[in-house]
Amino acid sequence: DAGVTQSPTHLIKTRGQQVTLRCSPKSGHDTVSWYQQALGQGPQFIFQYYEEEERQRGNFPDRFSGHQFPNYSSELNVNALLLGDSALYLCASSLQGRTYNEQFFGPGTRLTVL
Amino acid sequence: GQNIDQPTEMTATEGAIVQINCTYQTSGFNGLFWYQQHAGEAPTFLSYNVLDGLEEKGRFSSFLSRSKGYSYLLLKELQMKDSASYLCAKGDSGGYQKVTFGIGTKLQVIP
Repeated sequence: DAGVTQSPTHLIKTRGQQVTLRCSPKSGHDTVSWYQQALGQGPQFIFQYYEEEERQRGNFPDRFSGHQFPNYSSELNVNALLLGDSALYLCASSLQGRTYNEQFFGPGTRLTVL
Repeated sequence: GQNIDQPTEMTATEGAIVQINCTYQTSGFNGLFWYQQHAGEAPTFLSYNVLDGLEEKGRFSSFLSRSKGYSYLLLKELQMKDSASYLCAKGDSGGYQKVTFGIGTKLQVIP
């Protein structure tokens, strides 16, 4: 049973560039949430995708956008990168209709913006 | 905001018991989660409480008081491998599955 996978593992970009991060959910899961985790902080909710639509969004600017594909995998896109975007980006998958939302996290993508 | 508060750091001795407290705003509550996160790794699920009381799962227990907006994670018989950050997270009752995390409590277990 494959868990949540993310790619790439690490990424280095310069200010102003654009980046795309990818996530494949745990087998059987249909919902993907994205989080940004700065060093020494807890994960901050970016947005959630279900049925290929963004269902809920945290306090992040429009530079952050995403997509979910028919196979439930998802992408996170960040445009016009800023130094402050340097963080660990976590993808978490879950299944709708569960009694509670146990999220399974992927290993994350470490993004460094220079 | 969700105002999830937990201590930033704690130190405890191997074999001992440690309690990590968490307080949160009670509005829009749909369950309280605890996750463990080792340095450089992804968070892993430990527990979920939606009703008042204590849930025990091996060496780890979690308690919830909804009226007080209070939870704690209790770790017994501490092992060195328990050194990690422990994240308290509140489930959102808004009809979706949004979860809001606290800053995390970095626990150091010493010999």
